[in-house]
Amino acid sequence: DIVMTQSPDSLAVSLGERATINCRSSQSVLHNSNNKNYLAWYQQKPGQPPKLLIYWASTRESGVPDRFSGSGSGTDFTLTINSLQAEDVAVYYCQQYYSPPSLTFGGGTKVEIK
Amino acid sequence: EVQLVESGGGLVKPGGSLRLSCAASGFTFSSHSMNWVRQAPGKGLEWVSSISSSSGYINYAASVKGRFTVSRDNAKKSVYLQMNSLRAEDTAVYYCAADLRLEAFFDHWGQGTLVTVSS
Repeated sequence: DIVMTQSPDSLAVSLGERATINCRSSQSVLHNSNNKNYLAWYQQKPGQPPKLLIYWASTRESGVPDRFSGSGSGTDFTLTINSLQAEDVAVYYCQQYYSPPSLTFGGGTKVEIK
Repeated sequence: EVQLVESGGGLVKPGGSLRLSCAASGFTFSSHSMNWVRQAPGKGLEWVSSISSSSGYINYAASVKGRFTVSRDNAKKSVYLQMNSLRAEDTAVYYCAADLRLEAFFDHWGQGTLVTVSS
């Protein structure tokens, strides 16, 4: 199975500042056939199910604010939240879908307000 | 609007069984694979099982293989998870999740149903 490792486990960011979350996969999730990275990001607020934010490592889901952006390729990925808002307090997860049916998530990164 | 509504969770003793259901609406259910993802209290997300649109492809996480059985009824627009030989470590919120883009990421989730395995 591909192991997904996120860092940091948690971070506190001031309102209006940038939050950066990292995700590393134990093997590349870049498919040579289509040059796509099979990596998604989710946001989970307390008491709610996860919500898809980004797929193909950098494609924002419809309705997701543009302060959320994804980047990276191969084994190293980043979720950036520009100008953090109070409603962005949540746990964020990365997920690889390169090797179905074994779909694996990172351990999560908790974002709080400083 | 896509809706996924899970039911069937509850308290069960170790070794017991439980059947979860997920009722879907708002999309062509019979054209899409469905998944179960769980989350132990205070922990991260774990993919549990997937079933293809026609039930031809079924897969399980190693942690549940041989104990859990996924099935679906396209006429009822529902997917099920039969859980047998339950263990304390199966305690979690179980989410039904759909990948309507057919790419194995989860673009729609239900609210989840809590399964507690305890004596």
